[in-house]
Amino acid sequence: AQSVTQLGSHVSVSEGALVLLRCNYSSSVPPYLFWYVQYPNQGLQLLLKYTTGATLVKGINGFEAEFKKSETSFHLTKPSAHMSDAAEYFCAVSLSGAGSYQLTFGKGTKLSVIP
Amino acid sequence: NAGVTQTPKFRVLKTGQSMTLLCAQDMNHEYMYWYRQDPGMGLRLIHYSVGEGTTAKGEVPDGYNVSRLKKQNFLLGLESAAPSQTSVYFCASRRDSMNTEAFFGQGTRLTVV
Repeated sequence: AQSVTQLGSHVSVSEGALVLLRCNYSSSVPPYLFWYVQYPNQGLQLLLKYTTGATLVKGINGFEAEFKKSETSFHLTKPSAHMSDAAEYFCAVSLSGAGSYQLTFGKGTKLSVIP
Repeated sequence: NAGVTQTPKFRVLKTGQSMTLLCAQDMNHEYMYWYRQDPGMGLRLIHYSVGEGTTAKGEVPDGYNVSRLKKQNFLLGLESAAPSQTSVYFCASRRDSMNTEAFFGQGTRLTVV
């Protein structure tokens, strides 16, 4: 079974500061990992994904994430926060094994950006 | 390109009433999912489908039924609504590969009184 843990249900940063949102996964087979963003009263949209290859993945809006197998982590970062980054962020995992079709989400981290 | 469309967007039900939520996708995706989102709980999978005519239970299936008679549509039914089913419901679809992202609808906000 796969699972995702997001550390911190709420993170606050100052505008221009580093954004770090943490995600750890549990999986018995190589995982595929995703970060999604949800703005108020909207659906989820993809920020970035890791499938295979380069472990540092760049996404939209200046976000990036690094897959670290030894730490079972896929933390999301952005060097400089902008007011428009205020949203809820979800980490998700999908397994590569045959017969596994589910996309499992973490509980989310709400990011606040302070002017 | 509409992507994933959910109807209705809002609904208020009385306890015991029934309703069907419709999800339609125009991307020819094989996999479709129904999630519910509750504060502090993230997205929890209710049911999913890996192709026309197939459905499977997710993490929280009780009180819900689904059907996928056509590839592009995935219906979620509540036979007898309960206040515990007050939530925001999201439909998603993805291609038939685990390394692809899911595309989400805008959500249906359901209140059961």
